[in-house]
Amino acid sequence: GEDVEQSLFLSVREGDSSVINCTYTDSSSTYLYWYKQEPGAGLQLLTYIFSNMDMKQDQRLTVLLNKKDKHLSLRIADTQTGDSAIYFCAESLWNNNDMRFGAGTRLTVKP
Amino acid sequence: DVKVTQSSRYLVKRTGEKVFLECVQDMDHENMFWYRQDPGLGLRLIYFSYDVKMKEKGDIPEGYSVSREKKERFSLILESASTNQTSMYLCASRAGKGADTQYFGPGTRLTVL
Repeated sequence: GEDVEQSLFLSVREGDSSVINCTYTDSSSTYLYWYKQEPGAGLQLLTYIFSNMDMKQDQRLTVLLNKKDKHLSLRIADTQTGDSAIYFCAESLWNNNDMRFGAGTRLTVKP
Repeated sequence: DVKVTQSSRYLVKRTGEKVFLECVQDMDHENMFWYRQDPGLGLRLIYFSYDVKMKEKGDIPEGYSVSREKKERFSLILESASTNQTSMYLCASRAGKGADTQYFGPGTRLTVL
């Protein structure tokens, strides 16, 4: 199958912006998602973007999609210690029941 | 709120034991999934089910089986547990396709000694 790739670690200082990147290889991907996993918990949906959009903003979160380069990013403004978690990128095809996940990026926010 | 529950948060079993992991969702979702999560490997799909009594193999079905006798319940079975099945197991449900997202349970951390 196609792969979804992310870097494994990111460390930022409190108050800075965080940018988590993801690349995918299936040009048929229709929906792309960002999930957050806090320690000891399951995954929680943060946001998603439809493939005909370039950008989506939701409070401190900005999702950018470059469909030509198959690149997705999640920007967290004014990062807080509570944002420390693992962030997963995922893709879904229109006619598929399942989703494909990246390996997850562990974000560490230092005070 | 969608709720996906898993029968245990932590489980310790011995090699060769038969292990049942249970998952229940309360939103009448058609689709249910079992993943395992390992450091650096992300989520890997073991099996999914798109209807009662229906199942599809995911990327790593070897050593596992599943059962879906009722719409709300999806069970993962390890017929003979092995140490390489020590992992975090996550269950998820999804209403349909496309924009419908998956909702995850809290996970079961299984240790096989």
